[in-house]
Amino acid sequence: DTGVSQDPRHKITKRGQNVTFRCDPISEHNRLYWYRQTLGQGPEFLTYFQNEAQLEKSRLLSDRFSAERPKGSFSTLEIQRTEQGDSAMYLCASSLGGLVYGYTFGSGTRLTVV
Amino acid sequence: GEDVEQSLFLSVREGDSSVINCTYTDSSSTYLYWYKQEPGAGLQLLTYIFSNMDMKQDQRLTVLLNKKDKHLSLRIADTQTGDSAIYFCAERVTGNQFYFGTGTSLTVIP
Repeated sequence: DTGVSQDPRHKITKRGQNVTFRCDPISEHNRLYWYRQTLGQGPEFLTYFQNEAQLEKSRLLSDRFSAERPKGSFSTLEIQRTEQGDSAMYLCASSLGGLVYGYTFGSGTRLTVV
Repeated sequence: GEDVEQSLFLSVREGDSSVINCTYTDSSSTYLYWYKQEPGAGLQLLTYIFSNMDMKQDQRLTVLLNKKDKHLSLRIADTQTGDSAIYFCAERVTGNQFYFGTGTSLTVIP
């Protein structure tokens, strides 16, 4: 059981640069989610994929953010023109079918924008 | 929007019971969850309860749901030092989003 993998674990970038994170869900999970967690807060929903289709997007996902899941397996989250306010932990989660049993989360990518 | 609130800190002695509380605002919640987050790690699902249940017990964990007061609690019996972590409650209302509380940091004193 490889769980949900996220890469990189940590990313430090200068303001204005673009960054891309990757998430590999549990292989049989068809649903994939991105959440953002800032210090001292709970995770906040960003977006959700069922297979390759992006079905829900939060208002938090500004036009600088884009997420893809091209083949219905791994997903990428790109942030363009990063701002200091983007500094957070970006969590990926996956699930199989309905959400009765909750998500399985990855360990996250911690982004620091300097 | 949905508002899920938790107290920020709880400190207990090893061997005592811990009770972590959570209140939520949306009465149409379908499932409520408890997650545990250890430093530098992702969130680990501990347990969940369906909104038509009052109580669920799973080994050392007991979840109580008071739907009238929109109050959820997690009781950890015989708390151990390995239970030290941040505990999040989360509700699922509709769709595929979970709304998480701010987390309760549990410190277990040996």
